[in-house]
Amino acid sequence: DQQVKQNSPSLSVQEGRISILNCDYTNSMFDYFLWYKKYPAEGPTFLISISSIKDKNEDGRFTVFLNKSAKHLSLHIVPSQPGDSAVYFCAAITNTGNQFYFGTGTSLTVIP
Amino acid sequence: EAQVTQNPRYLITVTGKKLTVTCSQNMNHEYMSWYRQDPGLGLRQIYYSMNVEVTDKGDVPEGYKVSRKEKRNFPLILESPSPNQTSLYFCASSRGWGGGPTGELFFGEGSRLTVL
Repeated sequence: DQQVKQNSPSLSVQEGRISILNCDYTNSMFDYFLWYKKYPAEGPTFLISISSIKDKNEDGRFTVFLNKSAKHLSLHIVPSQPGDSAVYFCAAITNTGNQFYFGTGTSLTVIP
Repeated sequence: EAQVTQNPRYLITVTGKKLTVTCSQNMNHEYMSWYRQDPGLGLRQIYYSMNVEVTDKGDVPEGYKVSRKEKRNFPLILESPSPNQTSLYFCASSRGWGGGPTGELFFGEGSRLTVL
């Protein structure tokens, strides 16, 4: 059973506009949430994270929002750039910090 | 250069022929783990290790074995591969338990395995 879900397999956005990628989870024991970015033929790379005690974390053009009551998180990329075109995975860690759960990924295409 | 190295990158094998995918990291990380990526299923954790001689099952451990005899190495063993183990495999490492304060996993480039 998928505990972390990304319901949009793909997303297309114009360059310079905002990209919003969404992620839902079911396990209330998740303590930490992360976003990873993956280019073809490469391994995923860490992008940004957020602790369950926060509702927002920013790093440059990337902001992650966490809504614990809705068990929902989102990644905002502003402004979007063609180099942001990749597959984005959200992930969650339990409060024991040992096991990672990943979503199915959203393929983002930023159109120049 | 800090990196996680997996070998082989590509492998085609036949059902039942034992194989090992090696993983090595040069960052002195305590935590190492294996994942498989399949279409529509994302990344699923197979096994993880919190330190030398300490390993545990992830979400999809059936058909796989691991060992952690040295801190830098974490091989994935398929004792009797079957076609449903055809997948893209990733090894990852991080400092501390489950990635430490940032949860940042460092991934290898992946190993594409085909079992006929």
